[in-house]
Amino acid sequence: DQQVKQNSPSLSVQEGRISILNCDYTNSMFDYFLWYKKYPAEGPTFLISISSIKDKNEDGRFTVFLNKSAKHLSLHIVPSQPGDSAVYFCAALDSGTYKYIFGTGTRLKVLA
Amino acid sequence: NAGVTQTPKFQVLKTGQSMTLQCAQDMNHEYMSWYRQDPGMGLRLIHYSVGAGITDQGEVPNGYNVSRSTTEDFPLRLLSAAPSQTSVYFCASSKGGSAGELFFGEGSRLTVL
Repeated sequence: DQQVKQNSPSLSVQEGRISILNCDYTNSMFDYFLWYKKYPAEGPTFLISISSIKDKNEDGRFTVFLNKSAKHLSLHIVPSQPGDSAVYFCAALDSGTYKYIFGTGTRLKVLA
Repeated sequence: NAGVTQTPKFQVLKTGQSMTLQCAQDMNHEYMSWYRQDPGMGLRLIHYSVGAGITDQGEVPNGYNVSRSTTEDFPLRLLSAAPSQTSVYFCASSKGGSAGELFFGEGSRLTVL
């Protein structure tokens, strides 16, 4: 049973436009959420996170939105750049069990 | 800074062989974990540890053993490798104690024939 889902396996966006990556979760005990970026043959690298007590967190071009009632989070990248082309994973943490659960990933391609 | 170091980077095994994937971190992190990445499946949690002497099962623990005798090291053991364990394995660590980011190693690609 997939507790964290990324329903779009891939996304293509024009350079300079907004990229929106989505993530849904089912476990209401998750209280911390993270986004990671992964290039081929490298380990995932941390991008941005959000606590369940917030609904938005910004860091430069990256903004994460959390809608707890819908159990949905999204990552916005504005403006998108070719170097943003990678696989993006969302992850959720249940602080009680200390399990970080990841989604299946979305491959983003930013077209120059 | 070394961060999270995984060895080996590549390994080919025959079915039934055993091996250990090594993971070491130099950040004095309490929390360590192992994931496997498979096409279409994302990153799945195998085992994790919240501190030396403490380990627990993740989403896909079968066929894998772990131990945590020191803060720095968290080896992953395959006692009898199966083709279904062909995957890329990632070790990750975090400070622990409160929610925070996971730091990942570069991965170990394992092929079981």
